[in-house]
Amino acid sequence: ETVMTQSPATLSVSPGERATLSCRASQSVSSNLAWYQQKPGQAPRLLIHGASTRAKGIPARFSGSGSGTEFTLTISSLQSEDFGVYYCQHYNQRPPGDITFGPGTKVDIK
Amino acid sequence: QLLESGGGLVKPGGSLTLSCAASGFHFRDYYMNWIRQAPGKGLEWVSDISSSSAYTNYADSVKGRFTISRDNAKNSLYLRMDSLTDEDTAVYYCARDPSGGEGYFDFWGRGTLVAVSS
Repeated sequence: ETVMTQSPATLSVSPGERATLSCRASQSVSSNLAWYQQKPGQAPRLLIHGASTRAKGIPARFSGSGSGTEFTLTISSLQSEDFGVYYCQHYNQRPPGDITFGPGTKVDIK
Repeated sequence: QLLESGGGLVKPGGSLTLSCAASGFHFRDYYMNWIRQAPGKGLEWVSDISSSSAYTNYADSVKGRFTISRDNAKNSLYLRMDSLTDEDTAVYYCARDPSGGEGYFDFWGRGTLVAVSS
């Protein structure tokens, strides 16, 4: 099983500042990496897939980069509505069923 | 829209079947998934099923106890859960996979809570 880790656990950022979230895979996942945002009481929302492709309707301030084992989600200019928990997720089921999420990074608005 | 139902309180060792009603897209064209989230915890993928039901996969934590199925005529996804333990307590989400089975999720329901307790 591919194990995903994320850092930092919590990130406090002022509105307008850049936020950088990291995700690491225990083995290479190529570019098969997605990012989600979850707000309290809500379902997760897909932000990025394929490590760097923004999902439909996601603002351009969200960008993803990386491949192999090291990935980054950047929020270029944090808005107040961007608070929440951000999860990375490995996919591409080889072997089948190898879909794992990271533990999450909580983004607080400073 | 994806709308889950069927959650509730069940005793350890009991069974429950969750449903997910889909609307607004061609349900029969998509792999579908169940993903769960224990209270205050992160996300855990549970199971998926191919568009035609030919292929199913399960997380090791539920293999042999949970069964995923779908009815494309009714635009519905199901999760039969047997031999439940307190570790199965979670909000269960159904989610659409737009990638043909690679396993990321672009559309989620609001979830249904399953609580396993005596």
